[in-house]
Amino acid sequence: AQSVTQPDIHITVSEGASLELRCNYSYGATPYLFWYVQSPGQGLQLLLKYFSGDTLVQGIKGFEAEFKRSQSSFNLRKPSVHWSDAAEYFCAVVRNSGGYQKVTFGTGTKLQVIP
Amino acid sequence: DAGITQSPRHKVTETGTPVTLRCHQTENHRYMYWYRQDPGHGLRLIHYSYGVKDTDKGEVSDGYSVSRSKTEDFLLTLESATSSQTSVYFCAIRNGTVETQYFGPGTRLLVL
Repeated sequence: AQSVTQPDIHITVSEGASLELRCNYSYGATPYLFWYVQSPGQGLQLLLKYFSGDTLVQGIKGFEAEFKRSQSSFNLRKPSVHWSDAAEYFCAVVRNSGGYQKVTFGTGTKLQVIP
Repeated sequence: DAGITQSPRHKVTETGTPVTLRCHQTENHRYMYWYRQDPGHGLRLIHYSYGVKDTDKGEVSDGYSVSRSKTEDFLLTLESATSSQTSVYFCAIRNGTVETQYFGPGTRLLVL
């Protein structure tokens, strides 16, 4: 069975500081990995995804994530956080299950940005 | 924007009443999904559809049924709503050959 762990439920950073959100996965094969962001009262928006190839992937809004197979991690980073980045962030992993591809989401990390 | 709308956006109902939530998409996607989102649980899959009249259960399907009579519409029904079904419900579509999902704006349901 696959699982996704986001160990930080809540993170607070100052505006302009760097950010790293952690994501660890458990899956036996090559994973497909995603990060989504959810602003209050909104649906989830895809930030970036990793399928294969370059382990450092760039996404929207200045975010990037690095896939590290040895650590089973896919951490999300941003060099300088803006107040508008305050939201909840979800990591997700996809696996194949017969003809259906199952998505498992982490429980989310809520980001607070302070002036 | 994957052209997904959900209706209603907010609903308050009483225990024991039936409730139907609608997901509508405009881009002819084959795969559609219903999730519920609860604090501390992330998103959990209720049901999904892989074509007209083709549906299957997700991990939290008890108490829910779905129907898809047209490509563009995927309905989620709570036959007899319970307080434990108070949640935010999201519809999603799958775009592409890998499971990249795009989400609707959500329906906030309160069962009293």
